[in-house]
Amino acid sequence: AQTVTQSQPEMSVQEAETVTLSCTYDTSESDYYLFWYKQPPSRQMILVIRQEAYKQQNATENRFSVNFQKAAKSFSLKISDSQLGDAAMYFCAYRRAGANSKLTFGKGITLSVRP
Amino acid sequence: GAVVSQHPSRVICKSGTSVKIECRSLDFQATTMFWYRQFPKQSLMLMATSNEGSKATYEQGVEKDKFLINHASLTLSTLTVTSAHPEDSSFYICSARNPSGGTDTQYFGPGTRLTVL
Repeated sequence: AQTVTQSQPEMSVQEAETVTLSCTYDTSESDYYLFWYKQPPSRQMILVIRQEAYKQQNATENRFSVNFQKAAKSFSLKISDSQLGDAAMYFCAYRRAGANSKLTFGKGITLSVRP
Repeated sequence: GAVVSQHPSRVICKSGTSVKIECRSLDFQATTMFWYRQFPKQSLMLMATSNEGSKATYEQGVEKDKFLINHASLTLSTLTVTSAHPEDSSFYICSARNPSGGTDTQYFGPGTRLTVL
């Protein structure tokens, strides 16, 4: 069975600084997707970034980028120039390729941003 | 990104009553929708997978007779909590998968907070 591990329950970052959220996963599949979702206090789940396992290039979305290490099964999220609005719970998620696959979430990490 | 709506956003009901929650994909057709339950400060727990035109697939430990799911069209899925009790109070989130454009990304509704008195 696939598992997603987010070992840090909480992190804090100074506004304008950079923070990295860690995530590891376990799978025997070769074709899969990885995601980072943000859940702010409104509790609306927002897709931050997505990575296809077959792509070697790390995904980037503005201030958000990932460090995808397939051999190590690691998928960390880097937030640059942190803003107060980045404060939220962040979930790492895995899904194998295929029509009937399901998302497997990590436990999440609460990120606070200090002004 | 794609939009998924959920209604109502908040509901308070008496114990023993049934509550229906609607989930709609507004700008794409979703052959698959998912229903999650989330407790405060915890991760999302998948309850069931809903496929249009067929019976929902429930996760282990989820009572299918208590949580009725109907996926009547490619843009609408409903979750009915039957004979609700205080322990059913939670935050329920639906999600829809957009299979078009090669993205196959899952989008989430804003959630429904259910309080059973």
